Amino acid sequence: DAGVTQSPTHLIKTRGQQVTLRCSPKSGHDTVSWYQQALGQGPQFIFQYYEEEERQRGNFPDRFSGHQFPNYSSELNVNALLLGDSALYLCASSSSKWVRDEQYFGPGTRLTVT
Amino acid sequence: TQLLEQSPQFLSIQEGENLTVYCNSSSVFSSLQWYRQEPGEGPVLLVTVVTGGEVKKLKRLTFQFGDARKDSSLHITAAQPGDTGLYLCAGAENFGNEKLTFGTGTRLTIIP
Repeated sequence: DAGVTQSPTHLIKTRGQQVTLRCSPKSGHDTVSWYQQALGQGPQFIFQYYEEEERQRGNFPDRFSGHQFPNYSSELNVNALLLGDSALYLCASSSSKWVRDEQYFGPGTRLTVT
Repeated sequence: TQLLEQSPQFLSIQEGENLTVYCNSSSVFSSLQWYRQEPGEGPVLLVTVVTGGEVKKLKRLTFQFGDARKDSSLHITAAQPGDTGLYLCAGAENFGNEKLTFGTGTRLTIIP
C-alpha cells in the first residue's frame, strides 16, 4: 500500500515564476493538507482540502492556491515566487477532517527559489 | 496566532541517558500531538493527547499533557541512536477549527 506521494522531489525556480506541486494521498484517504517547512523550523499550515473544497487556511497570501481532484489528489500552486518561498512543502492526508486524527505525511518537495 | 515554543532547540546526549523535551504555549489547545521527523522524510505521528493531565507511554517514550492543556513534555528513557531526529509538537486550536500549529522543533542527537 503506497503511502502519501509527492512530486517532484526537488525543484529550482526563479523569482517571479509560478510553480505547481502535486500530492497523491494514502489509499482510502479523502482529506489533504499542505504545509510549508522552512529550514530549521516546524511546518506551517497552508490549507486543507476536503470534498474538493478548501476547508481551512493558514496565514498565507493569495499567491498560494490549491485544488483537490475527484480522486482526492491535490495540487499546490504558488504564483510570483519570492526568495522566501524556498522551503520543504509537505502534503499530509487523512481519512478524517479532524486534525487530531492521524495524518500521514509525504516526503515533501524541496523548492528552491533563486 | 497560537505559538508553540519547544526547548531545548538542540540536544546531544550519550546513548543510555534520559532526556526531556518541553513544548509550551500561552494558549490552550484542544489536543496536542508529537511527531518525529528524519532527514528527507515527512513527520511521523508518535502520539496524540487530548485530556489535561493525560500521560501516554510508547515503549521508552512518555508523553504528558499539562493540566491546563497549554504545555506538554516528552521524556525518553535510556536513549538509543535510533531516537535521533527532529521532534515536533503540534497543537489543534479548537475542535472544528482544524489548523495544526507546529512547534519550533527539538533536534535530538544520540551519540553511540
